[in-house]
Amino acid sequence: LAKTTQPISMDSYEGQEVNITCSHNNIATNDYITWYQQFPSQGPRFIIQGYKTKVTNEVASLFIPADRKSSTLSLPRVSLSDTAVYYCLVGDGTDSNYQLIWGAGTKLIIKP
Amino acid sequence: NAGVTQTPKFRVLKTGQSMTLLCAQDMNHEYMYWYRQDPGMGLRLIHYSVGEGTTAKGEVPDGYNVSRLKKQNFLLGLESAAPSQTSVYFCAAQRGGLDTQYFGPGTRLTVL
Repeated sequence: LAKTTQPISMDSYEGQEVNITCSHNNIATNDYITWYQQFPSQGPRFIIQGYKTKVTNEVASLFIPADRKSSTLSLPRVSLSDTAVYYCLVGDGTDSNYQLIWGAGTKLIIKP
Repeated sequence: NAGVTQTPKFRVLKTGQSMTLLCAQDMNHEYMYWYRQDPGMGLRLIHYSVGEGTTAKGEVPDGYNVSRLKKQNFLLGLESAAPSQTSVYFCAAQRGGLDTQYFGPGTRLTVL
């Protein structure tokens, strides 16, 4: 079964670029890698999703190497409002034994 | 368009009591999930459904039952609540297996 590993916490400052890496050693070959953001007392919210190489949207970029054993969420020019917990999500297995594997989350604290 | 709603928002139970949590979605999504999140921890999948009338076990199904009689509703039942089930419960809806999950606001359950 695939396993995900993320740093427990990270600190940064407003205006900086923040990169959070998730290691996932054995994910389903046809599955996407997805990142979610969670604020206190709220449900997780989708940030970005990718399959390989690089994906960019209005809030983040996602870098996935060719072996797909890790992914890096990049948040450009963070602000205080980016303080949250960030989760990676991958899939493992096929058909009847397909499982969703959530990372334990990275608590990101942005300082002024 | 409310997305995903959960009822109730808060509940306190005594050990041995039963209750049902309701998740409703108005997005016509096929997949629905129930997760629990303990303090400072990531999400753990309890049960899920890939369509009306279907349910399947997740990572931590013991002590819970679910039903998906209507496509828009996914019910989570606790037959005999235990203090170990004190947690925040999140429901999510997803159009298909590789799509974004949309989460509800959560139900905070305390079992005394």
